[in-house]
Amino acid sequence: AQTVTQSQPEMSVQEAETVTLSCTYDTSESDYYLFWYKQPPSRQMILVIRQEAYKQQNATENRFSVNFQKAAKSFSLKISDSQLGDAAMYFCAYTGGMAGTYKYIFGTGTRLKVLA
Amino acid sequence: DAGVIQSPRHEVTEMGQEVTLRCKPISGHNSLFWYRQTMMRGLELLIYFNNNVPIDDSGMPEDRFSAKMPNASFSTLKIQPSEPRDSAVYFCASETGSGNTIYFGEGSWLTVV
Repeated sequence: AQTVTQSQPEMSVQEAETVTLSCTYDTSESDYYLFWYKQPPSRQMILVIRQEAYKQQNATENRFSVNFQKAAKSFSLKISDSQLGDAAMYFCAYTGGMAGTYKYIFGTGTRLKVLA
Repeated sequence: DAGVIQSPRHEVTEMGQEVTLRCKPISGHNSLFWYRQTMMRGLELLIYFNNNVPIDDSGMPEDRFSAKMPNASFSTLKIQPSEPRDSAVYFCASETGSGNTIYFGEGSWLTVV
């Protein structure tokens, strides 16, 4: 069965600094997708970034980028120039399989605190 | 296009009562998911549908929980009878069915007293 592991329950970063959140996953599939979601105190789940496993190039979205290491099954999120609004829970997610059977599995989350 | 719409947003009910949570997925999305979020267990996948058919309900905690999707634009999650340990935020989410981004509703905050 597929699993997603986030080993950092909580992280802190100084405003304007860079922080990296870790995520590892386990799967036997060769084609899959990985995501990072942000959940602020409002509990809304917001997509941060998406990575397709067949693409070697790391996804980037403004200040957010990933380091996707397929062989190591690692998918970390780097937040550059951290802002107070980045404070939230961050969830790593995996999905794979055949069309119509995609099952989205989430990690336990990392709480990010941004210090002014 | 409107996002995933859930109702009610908040519900407080007494133990033993029936609770029905509702969800309208994004139009054109073929897959619908129900998740439960608690501090202790994180974000758990309860059940998901594709083309209105349940694909995997292995996450449904027990027989007190049931879910239906009678058509492409509506799904319900029912708890009968409810218990205090069912208190959680229940999220509905939808996706095209092709491994694309999954979109979440704002959640239904359930408190069972």
